[in-house]
Amino acid sequence: AQSVTQLGSHVSVSEGALVLLRCNYSSSVPPYLFWYVQYPNQGLQLLLKYTSAATLVKGINGFEAEFKKSETSFHLTKPSAHMSDAAEYFCAVSAWGRNTDKLIFGTGTRLQVFP
Amino acid sequence: DAGVTQSPTHLIKTRGQQVTLRCSPISGHKSVSWYQQVLGQGPQFIFQYYEKEERGRGNFPDRFSARQFPNYSSELNVNALLLGDSALYLCASSLGSGTKTYEQYFGPGTRLTVT
Repeated sequence: AQSVTQLGSHVSVSEGALVLLRCNYSSSVPPYLFWYVQYPNQGLQLLLKYTSAATLVKGINGFEAEFKKSETSFHLTKPSAHMSDAAEYFCAVSAWGRNTDKLIFGTGTRLQVFP
Repeated sequence: DAGVTQSPTHLIKTRGQQVTLRCSPISGHKSVSWYQQVLGQGPQFIFQYYEKEERGRGNFPDRFSARQFPNYSSELNVNALLLGDSALYLCASSLGSGTKTYEQYFGPGTRLTVT
């Protein structure tokens, strides 16, 4: 069975500081991994995805994530936080096969950005 | 291009009632998935439909049902509502299902409140 664990339900950074949101996965097969962002009262927007190509994945809004098999991690980073980055971030793993594919989400990390 | 649309935006029901939520996928997408997001948690997979057939079902009671129409739009029905069904219901569409992992695009959600 596949799962993801997000470490830290809340992360606070100052504007301009490094953003690091942690995600560890568990999968019996090579995983496909995703990061989504959710702004208040909105749906989910895909930030980036890992599908077994390059281990360093670049996404939208300056975010990137690195797949590390040895650490079973897929942490999300951004060099310099903006106020507009304040939102809820979800890591997800795709469980596909037998003619279905579904996303299994972590519990989320709320990012606060202080001026 | 229009994204995934969901209706209604908000809904208030009382315990024991029935509710129907609607979703229209992105043009050209043939798969629709439904997720439940309880406040403070990550989305949980409910159903996936592809070409009008159920392709996957999450760990939800039989009170939850869904269907997909020939135009690929979908409805989620919940009978005998419980207070615990209060949540944001998210619809996601994708091009296909099961043969590989497909990128899922989410709608804004329907906020259901059960009193």
